[in-house]
Amino acid sequence: GAGVSQSPRYKVAKRGQDVALRCDPISGHVSLFWYQQALGQGPEFLTYFQNEAQLDKSGLPSDRFFAERPEGSVSTLKIQRTQQEDSAVYLCASSLAPGNYGYTFGSGTRLTVV
Amino acid sequence: GENVEQHPSTLSVQEGDSAVIKCTYSDSASNYFPWYKQELGKGPQLIIDIRSNVGEKKDQRIAVTLNKTAKHFSLHITETQPEDSAVYFCAALRDARQLTFGSGTQLTVLP
Repeated sequence: GAGVSQSPRYKVAKRGQDVALRCDPISGHVSLFWYQQALGQGPEFLTYFQNEAQLDKSGLPSDRFFAERPEGSVSTLKIQRTQQEDSAVYLCASSLAPGNYGYTFGSGTRLTVV
Repeated sequence: GENVEQHPSTLSVQEGDSAVIKCTYSDSASNYFPWYKQELGKGPQLIIDIRSNVGEKKDQRIAVTLNKTAKHFSLHITETQPEDSAVYFCAALRDARQLTFGSGTQLTVLP
């Protein structure tokens, strides 16, 4: 596609509910990143994939957060037993190859936990 | 890990004036410094970037300068226009994986 596509754009979850956020990167992009952006803050790194391999998950805040990219294209970020502090915008970015620093971000999914 | 500090947090300028946003970073191994513009409801959009082997880069009304010794880099926007109003983020990258962002600057260009 022309850009990075994320769905849903908005998600309201009750505390304790599981959610799944989807990212469709630009076709052919090898590298894929997830970031979390709290209100009024800069994005913070969550995890990085190179093709289907998750090479860095050091930013995931707890074991309730899980990400996958099974076929090296679409990625899903899953949050189990959501808490209020999980409320944020979740951004996905992709780049053509490792070392290619031209990251393209999607518009994000705004998650609100009530 | 890397720490990026960004100032000011808010900046208002008159249309046609210049705007300068400054960032400092902590990790001397960082080698790539992008600037992003984020409009309401959208993801960050890359507007200019600079690598550690370059001191200055310009693209029309936008320029970025880097002082590796002092670990400072700055964004300069000249002849500002109302459509430049947005939140601007600086960032630093060390190993092609984790971008570390500053806290953002809300730029308002007054007509």
